[in-house]
Amino acid sequence: KNEVEQSPQNLTAQEGEFITINCSYSVGISALHWLQQHPGGGIVSLFMLSSGKKKHGRLIATINIQEKHSSLHITASHPRDSAVYICAAYYFGNEKLTFGTGTRLTIIP
Amino acid sequence: DVKVTQSSRYLVKRTGEKVFLECVQDMDHENMFWYRQDPGLGLRLIYFSYDVKMKEKGDIPEGYSVSREKKERFSLILESASTNQTSMYLCASWGSSGETYNEQFFGPGTRLTVL
Repeated sequence: KNEVEQSPQNLTAQEGEFITINCSYSVGISALHWLQQHPGGGIVSLFMLSSGKKKHGRLIATINIQEKHSSLHITASHPRDSAVYICAAYYFGNEKLTFGTGTRLTIIP
Repeated sequence: DVKVTQSSRYLVKRTGEKVFLECVQDMDHENMFWYRQDPGLGLRLIYFSYDVKMKEKGDIPEGYSVSREKKERFSLILESASTNQTSMYLCASWGSSGETYNEQFFGPGTRLTVL
């Protein structure tokens, strides 16, 4: 069964801290998607990656195909980063995303 | 900017009513999806469509149907709403480019309450 697991489920940190959210998945994915959802808000796409690393502002996403693992990092975290972060995988031959259950991040000023 | 819009942000219906949720995207995407999101369960796929008049069941299609008469519009129908269909409903779309998987773009969501 194709699965996507995230950790931690909840994370609280002080403003300025370096944040890491982890995602692991089964074999055979073609791409991994990181998404962000603010409270009461819609879901926005942060990254889509199939290898290596991508960076956008203070956000960095990495993926290790051999380890079947991806991480989302936030540098110099800010209260506005408080949101639920979701990873989702495209498995080969499947147009559907398989979602993790999300990580709720709270950054305290 | 890709825009995915949904017909309502909040909706309250009574048990047994027929409910229509509409989703429109403006980027000529082939693939459109309907999800529901519940606390602790994450996002679950109800139905998806990869072309006009084509539909595929997702993980939890029971109690729902869909319609895709035009490429830009994907409708979710609750034939007879029940209280266990109270949820946040999210529509998404993505366009394929060769064999590359692209990002899904999500609508703002419809929070449906069935009384």
